[in-house]
Amino acid sequence: AQSVAQPEDQVNVAEGNPLTVKCTYSVSGNPYLFWYVQYPNRGLQFLLKYITGDNLVKGSYGFEAEFNKSQTSFHLKKPSALVSDSALYFCVFSPLAGAGSYQLTFGKGTKLSVIP
Amino acid sequence: SQTIHQWPATLVQPVGSPLSLECTVEGTSNPNLYWYRQAAGRGLQLLFYSVGIGQISSEVPQNLSASRPQDRQFILSSKKLLLSDSGFYLCAWSVQAGVADTQYFGPGTRLTVL
Repeated sequence: AQSVAQPEDQVNVAEGNPLTVKCTYSVSGNPYLFWYVQYPNRGLQFLLKYITGDNLVKGSYGFEAEFNKSQTSFHLKKPSALVSDSALYFCVFSPLAGAGSYQLTFGKGTKLSVIP
Repeated sequence: SQTIHQWPATLVQPVGSPLSLECTVEGTSNPNLYWYRQAAGRGLQLLFYSVGIGQISSEVPQNLSASRPQDRQFILSSKKLLLSDSGFYLCAWSVQAGVADTQYFGPGTRLTVL
């Protein structure tokens, strides 16, 4: 079955340090991958997505993600963490075009805590 | 710009009571619309999606139903709520591009069934 996995339930990082939130995928063919963020008791916000082309994708709020086909990973990164980055992060994939192409499959989420 | 609204923001209902949650989108036409449920603050489960007025697809069989009476209005309903219906309900929309469409989410409704 096609899926994405977020191996860490929680990531703690000190403010000002670089952060990485990990995601690996198990998808046949070329996946379409997204990152979303959810602040407490709020809806999800789109950060970035990878469809094709440059493996380094830049998104909102200074986040970026690198698509690595050999490692089947799509890790989310930011050079310098802010306390306001503390939230729940979801790695998401969308299947190829066709039936169900608009159905997103969500990872379990990783809670990021940035410590002042 | 496009905005998506959901109401109510929070709702506490007794078991066996009916439910109606509403979602509306502004600033776009003929969007795809989606209902998700999020349990325990973690992964999202797609419940329903719609590609047009009156066109509803159900992903998970349960005692919930959805309707789309207008182009930019999506309603989630139940005739009799169960305890297991408690959760955070999110509505989302996307343009109908067909491939890797970005979905944009509303603020959500927190439903507690007692």
